[in-house]
Amino acid sequence: AQKITQTQPGMFVQEKEAVTLDCTYDTSDQSYGLFWYKQPSSGEMIFLIYQGSYDEQNATEGRYSLNFQKARKSANLVISASQLGDSAMYFCAMSVFNKFYFGSGTKLNVKP
Amino acid sequence: EAEVAQSPRYKITEKSQAVAFWCDPISGHATLYWYRQILGQGPELLVQFQDESVVDDSQLPKDRFSAERLKGVDSTLKIQPAELGDSAMYLCASSHSGQGDYGYTFGSGTRLTVV
Repeated sequence: AQKITQTQPGMFVQEKEAVTLDCTYDTSDQSYGLFWYKQPSSGEMIFLIYQGSYDEQNATEGRYSLNFQKARKSANLVISASQLGDSAMYFCAMSVFNKFYFGSGTKLNVKP
Repeated sequence: EAEVAQSPRYKITEKSQAVAFWCDPISGHATLYWYRQILGQGPELLVQFQDESVVDDSQLPKDRFSAERLKGVDSTLKIQPAELGDSAMYLCASSHSGQGDYGYTFGSGTRLTVV
């Protein structure tokens, strides 16, 4: 069975500091994709970053990086230099064979 | 930048009434998804289309929900009759191949409140 686990319901971070949001996944398939999405209070899901299961390098997109540890089945999101606009829900997701599985999300609050 | 269009943005309806949501995916995207997201939870897949065919509706409550994508382009999700527990965000997404990677794009969603 495919499963995504986010164990941090809520996180606080000081503006300009870095923060790590945890995500672990479970799948027996060798080919899969890992995603992070941001969902502000307005509700839209904004794509942040993608990591393929065969990618050897950790993905980076601007201030976002994905710490991919395949043996541990973890795909943590690192946000560097947090900004007030980063306050939102963050979802980790996995795609396997055209199906998409979401975690329960982490609510990030950035303090000024 | 190409977008997935959804309407309405917000909908308030009384229980036992019918309600419908519309989604127009990015042009050329063959795979279309409808998700339901209850407040405080992650989205759950309701139905997945490949062109005009349903490829997965295992989580769709078929006694009250229906979905169609008649010409393989835009799609409609209907609830009849609506129940209080249907209050949620309904998200539509599309992808070119259904294979994930950079291909999943979400619409802004329809926030449904059943009173």
